[in-house]
Amino acid sequence: DVKVTQSSRYLVKRTGEKVFLECVQDMDHENMFWYRQDPGLGLRLIYFSYDVKMKEKGDIPEGYSVSREKKERFSLILESASTNQTSMYLCASRLTGTDTGELFFGEGSRLTVL
Amino acid sequence: SQKIEQNSEALNIQEGKTATLTCNYTNYSPAYLQWYRQDPGRGPVFLLLIRENEKEKRKERLKVTFDTTLKQSLFHITASQPADSATYLCALGANSGGYQKVTFGTGTKLQVIP
Repeated sequence: DVKVTQSSRYLVKRTGEKVFLECVQDMDHENMFWYRQDPGLGLRLIYFSYDVKMKEKGDIPEGYSVSREKKERFSLILESASTNQTSMYLCASRLTGTDTGELFFGEGSRLTVL
Repeated sequence: SQKIEQNSEALNIQEGKTATLTCNYTNYSPAYLQWYRQDPGRGPVFLLLIRENEKEKRKERLKVTFDTTLKQSLFHITASQPADSATYLCALGANSGGYQKVTFGTGTKLQVIP
């Protein structure tokens, strides 16, 4: 089974702190994604990566950056956390060339910024 | 602007009945549409994919239709069970600058009453 592991289920940070959210997948998937999920807004794409060292902005990249130095790991970085970044963050991975384009999600990281 | 709309109100149905969930979109030309299930506090899990040239797909008690003229997909669960209670998300896959981007709707919460 594909496993996508997010480093922290719950985090509480203070405004202005630098926050790292880590995501690791164990199935050699090329594509990786970071979404945030908020009530009434659904899942919104922050950044995605189609391969190692590649990154593309999603719909809401402001205030975020990403790093993909190794194929299995995709990190989301909040350079200076703000209260409006309080949210559930979901990482996903996908193997290219499959019939279904299925995304495999991690369990999510709930971030609270005080 | 682009929109993916799902019923924001929860859908309550009696056990044994067929649940029908709707996904409408505007200003998209999707290559495919996916449906995911999400349980509280968990990441979404892939259920089905239907491509733009397909009208209907089935998998066990699940059926998905896709009408590109109406810009709508319907998701049916027949003989519904309390264990089907969850939030269901539709997602559109479309080419974006040479990449395949997946955009989610806000989801519909389904409650199956015993």
